[in-house]
Amino acid sequence: GQQLNQSPQSMFIQEGEDVSMNCTSSSIFNTWLWYKQDPGEGPVLLIALYKAGELTSNGRLTAQFGITRKDSFLNISASIPSDVGIYFCAGPGSSNTGKLIFGQGTTLQVKP
Amino acid sequence: DGGITQSPKYLFRKEGQNVTLSCEQNLNHDAMYWYRQDPGQGLRLIYYSQIVNDFQKGDIAEGYSVSREKKESFPLTVTSAQKNPTAFYLCASSRGQVGETQYFGPGTRLLVL
Repeated sequence: GQQLNQSPQSMFIQEGEDVSMNCTSSSIFNTWLWYKQDPGEGPVLLIALYKAGELTSNGRLTAQFGITRKDSFLNISASIPSDVGIYFCAGPGSSNTGKLIFGQGTTLQVKP
Repeated sequence: DGGITQSPKYLFRKEGQNVTLSCEQNLNHDAMYWYRQDPGQGLRLIYYSQIVNDFQKGDIAEGYSVSREKKESFPLTVTSAQKNPTAFYLCASSRGQVGETQYFGPGTRLLVL
């Protein structure tokens, strides 16, 4: 079945550094979603992408829908301590339903 | 305020006991979902419901049961048949169309005594 491979699995960075993470699929996606999960909370949508090549920003966050439609990237600029959490990519499942497939997540830790 | 609520935040289960986790949404969403998250792991789909009075098994449905009698409510029962129930449980809802954003509740952490 469809799978999403997210990398890196974890990152430990210094405050102020930029962060990049990516997500690749074995099949074409028409939508890419990026979520952030704070410790002990539910995931919150950061950015949604609907078109190949699309580049969308949300504050210090920028996400891109890969031109092949099989990958997506999330960048965080000038990281701050509250960026700590797990970042998930997601895309639609193969069935004609609202099911999503989630990547395994990238755990980000920021050292002040 | 519109959103999804889950209760309780923490739940303790004794051996052999069934427990029910609550999930309510006032977003007027047709579809609702239950996920399980283990430490350091991603989200695994337990059950989902596209419409009232209908639901489908996800990837790890064994030991769980659900009902969808009302549009706004999708309770999850963790039965005694689930031998390893300790996990973080997340409920989500969406309009149910392909690729639609899912909105998540705050989660319930289930612990076994």
